[in-house]
Amino acid sequence: GENVEQHPSTLSVQEGDSAVIKCTYSDSASNYFPWYKQELGKRPQLIIDIRSNVGEKKDQRIAVTLNKTAKHFSLHITETQPEDSAVYFCAAKEILTGGGNKLTFGTGTQLKVEL
Amino acid sequence: DAGITQSPRHKVTETGTPVTLRCHQTENHRYMYWYRQDPGHGLRLIHYSYGVKDTDKGEVSDGYSVSRSKTEDFLLTLESATSSQTSVYFCAISTTGGNSPLHFGNGTRLTVT
Repeated sequence: GENVEQHPSTLSVQEGDSAVIKCTYSDSASNYFPWYKQELGKRPQLIIDIRSNVGEKKDQRIAVTLNKTAKHFSLHITETQPEDSAVYFCAAKEILTGGGNKLTFGTGTQLKVEL
Repeated sequence: DAGITQSPRHKVTETGTPVTLRCHQTENHRYMYWYRQDPGHGLRLIHYSYGVKDTDKGEVSDGYSVSRSKTEDFLLTLESATSSQTSVYFCAISTTGGNSPLHFGNGTRLTVT
């Protein structure tokens, strides 16, 4: 099955700086890579996703890049703000026997944006 | 919140007792999932369903069973709760079987003493 590794486990940046979180995956058949943000005590929420036919996607201060050859994908947050402080999870999709999406998650990155 | 309701939100139970968690959705989605979240492990798939009475195991299914008798409800049962099943449990739905994201419920915090 799929294996997703995520680094770093914790990341501290100054407000206004950029933050980068990196993930690798093992299954070359995986073709969908979402990123989730989880605030303390809350549910994970999708912030951006990318499909394997695209190398980069941006949404305001957030961007995701995908290198299929190297099986790497990364989340970039620019101009960080205190409200960006949360745990971020990457994931890669496997197709399940009966259809549907199995997302295999990384172990998370605790991002802290300091004033 | 994609119309997902989990109940209960919190539960404390004793080792050896059976426990059932409920996930209810209001938007008629075909695919439903149960994940558990533990520090250092991220989210791991327990079971999933691709239709009424159609379910299959995920990567951490031992000690858990599921049932889906109606489109809107997906139940997760811990047959005989153990302390290792202390966790936060999230239900999720996906709107299609293709490249669509999962949308999570608000979670159930389960403590097994």
